[in-house]
Amino acid sequence: GDSVTQMEGPVTLSEEAFLTINCTYTATGYPSLFWYVQYPGEGLQLLLKATKADDKGSNKGFEATYRKETTSFHLEKGSVQVSDSAVYFCALSAPGEGAQKLVFGQGTRLTINP
Amino acid sequence: GAGVSQSPSNKVTEKGKDVELRCDPISGHTALYWYRQRLGQGLEFLIYFQGNSAPDKSGLPSDRFSAERTGESVSTLTIQRTQQEDSAVYLCASSLGLGFLNTQYFGPGTRLTVL
Repeated sequence: GDSVTQMEGPVTLSEEAFLTINCTYTATGYPSLFWYVQYPGEGLQLLLKATKADDKGSNKGFEATYRKETTSFHLEKGSVQVSDSAVYFCALSAPGEGAQKLVFGQGTRLTINP
Repeated sequence: GAGVSQSPSNKVTEKGKDVELRCDPISGHTALYWYRQRLGQGLEFLIYFQGNSAPDKSGLPSDRFSAERTGESVSTLTIQRTQQEDSAVYLCASSLGLGFLNTQYFGPGTRLTVL
């Protein structure tokens, strides 16, 4: 079945460091890919998405490129801030029977120290 | 406009009691989804609605779980005879329509604790 694998956390970085959170997926066909973020005490928010191969989603300085050849959707940010501390979830929605649900990775907790 | 809202935000109950969780989707969103997030784990899909119809209930963990939706509005998730393993955050999401191109918008969740 469809699945998402994220790099395990927790990840701790210093402010202004470069961030990469790896995400790979297994799915039938060409899924839509998402990164959601959950800030402390808040609900899950859509951070960015990409719906076809080679698309780049971006928001708030974060980027992720849909790589069909490596089945990956890695999240990157060039210079993180303390306010980026949160749990990040990679997710997919696959066409066909699985289109009605999001399949999530386990989440990666990110802590940014000043 | 208003986002997805859920109530209560927190619910503590005793094992064996029934609980009802409520979700108000974004106005105009025809699709509604329920997920469960256990501590330290990813989100687990439970059920979706298109309008007030739930075509596939296979994601519900057991027959103690049921869900209904009134038209294209409020949905309730009911857990009967709660067990400690039901403790989790229950998240509701809605989208304009079904399908993998539609973005799901999540509510803040209901944290359920079963003692």
